[in-house]
Amino acid sequence: RKEVEQDPGPFNVPEGATVAFNCTYSNSASQSFFWYRQDCRKEPKLLMSVYSSGNEDGRFTAQLNRASQYISLLIRDSKLSDSATYLCVVNIIRRGGGADGLTFGKGTHLIIQP
Amino acid sequence: ETGVTQSPTHLIKTRGQQVTLRCSSQSGHNTVSWYQQALGQGPQFIFQYYREEENGRGNFPPRFSGLQFPNYSSELNVNALELDDSALYLCASSRTAGNTEAFFGQGTRLTVV
Repeated sequence: RKEVEQDPGPFNVPEGATVAFNCTYSNSASQSFFWYRQDCRKEPKLLMSVYSSGNEDGRFTAQLNRASQYISLLIRDSKLSDSATYLCVVNIIRRGGGADGLTFGKGTHLIIQP
Repeated sequence: ETGVTQSPTHLIKTRGQQVTLRCSSQSGHNTVSWYQQALGQGPQFIFQYYREEENGRGNFPPRFSGLQFPNYSSELNVNALELDDSALYLCASSRTAGNTEAFFGQGTRLTVV
């Protein structure tokens, strides 16, 4: 089972629509959660951290469900510029220190159509 | 811009050769992590350096090695290049090892022929 699973899409969505992505993670020791955005052939850029209480940043809302081990991202009033790959990311803090790095899903490809 | 810079941006090497990639971390950040991203995949963790020491390593063979310098810049070295090493290599900078918000450089695209 993959550690972080996402639907690869593509999601083809008309401009102005609301779109939601989910991702599931397998390691219950995961401590930190993020959504990154990656444009074609560019580096990933941090979109938002995801907190247990849920958090919102403008048109973007992220939710975390620790019991079910899934993370969601909701984009309202989608813009053409939202077209990108959205990467679900978790981080596991090792007991005793050390790092396992960020664990990325393969990403969900979103295409906003005019 | 994240303030994380990588060099070179593109590189072509021959199988069996060695390569060194470089990364300058964001000002005020003491932790650098390296990732490999193959086409169509998410980035895979190679290793992390914190205050000049390796602080964690992913599932990569020993021919992938690194360094961090006193100014917190870092190098990734890959020996005995294989065709499957062709990928985008990403450097990520964090304020400290315990702070997991990571900011990526633009990457180095390595092609092994």
